Amino acid sequence: EPEVTQTPSHQVTQMGQEVILRCVPISNHLYFYWYRQILGQKVEFLVSFYNNEISEKSEIFDDQFSVERPDGSNFTLKIRSTKLEDSAMYFCASSDFGSGQETQYFGPGTRLLVL
Amino acid sequence: QKEVEQDPGPLSVPEGAIVSLNCTYSNSAFQYFMWYRQYSRKGPELLMYTYSSGNKEDGRFTAQVDKSSKYISLFIRDSQPSDSATYLCAMSASNFGNEKLTFGTGTRLTIIP
Repeated sequence: EPEVTQTPSHQVTQMGQEVILRCVPISNHLYFYWYRQILGQKVEFLVSFYNNEISEKSEIFDDQFSVERPDGSNFTLKIRSTKLEDSAMYFCASSDFGSGQETQYFGPGTRLLVL
Repeated sequence: QKEVEQDPGPLSVPEGAIVSLNCTYSNSAFQYFMWYRQYSRKGPELLMYTYSSGNKEDGRFTAQVDKSSKYISLFIRDSQPSDSATYLCAMSASNFGNEKLTFGTGTRLTIIP
C-alpha cells in the first residue's frame, strides 16, 4: 500500500540553526501538508500546498518557515532559525482529489529537538 | 470554547469490551469527519472517514456523526490489545484537496488482556 515517507526520523539541532525536513508524498497525490504535534498536545495544521503554491497557512507558519517541492517527488519544510519552541513532531501528509476519499494520509513524522 | 473537544481519557478497558470514543465540535461548517489511530511516536493512521450525519461501519469499527448535536463517536467492538493507541478525531469543512484538518486532543486507550 502506498505510504507517505519522511526523513530524518529524528533530528537534534542547536537553537538558531536551519533545519530541512523532507517528505515523499504518495505518488499520485496532488495536495501536501505539514502539521506539527508538540509533546502531549494536539496535532496542529501548519501549511497546505498545491500546484507549487501555498494554499493556506496557519498563524504558526511565520516567516521562519518555508515549504518547497524541489522535484517531482519531494516536499520539504524548512525552518530558518530554530527556536526552542519548535521542538515537536512534524508530520507530512498528502491527499488526492476525486478519489472518493479525499482525506489526508500521514507520514510517520520527524521528531525535532531544538537545544 | 475549543473548536474540537475530545474526551481526554485515558481509558482502560478489558479485552473484548465495547469502546466508545467521542468528540464534540463548535464549528457548524464541519462536514467531513475522520478518526485516526496513532501509536506511540508514530504518525496518525486513518481509520474511518464519514461525510455529514449517519453511521459507517468497517469491521469492528463504527463511526457515528450527529451534526444536529455536533457530536461524533467511534465504537470499537470486541476490543483487542492491538487496539491500544491514541485515537484522534479530525474534521474539515470541505473535501477539497487543500482543506486543513482540525484535530481533537486525542484519547489514549489501553485494552487490558
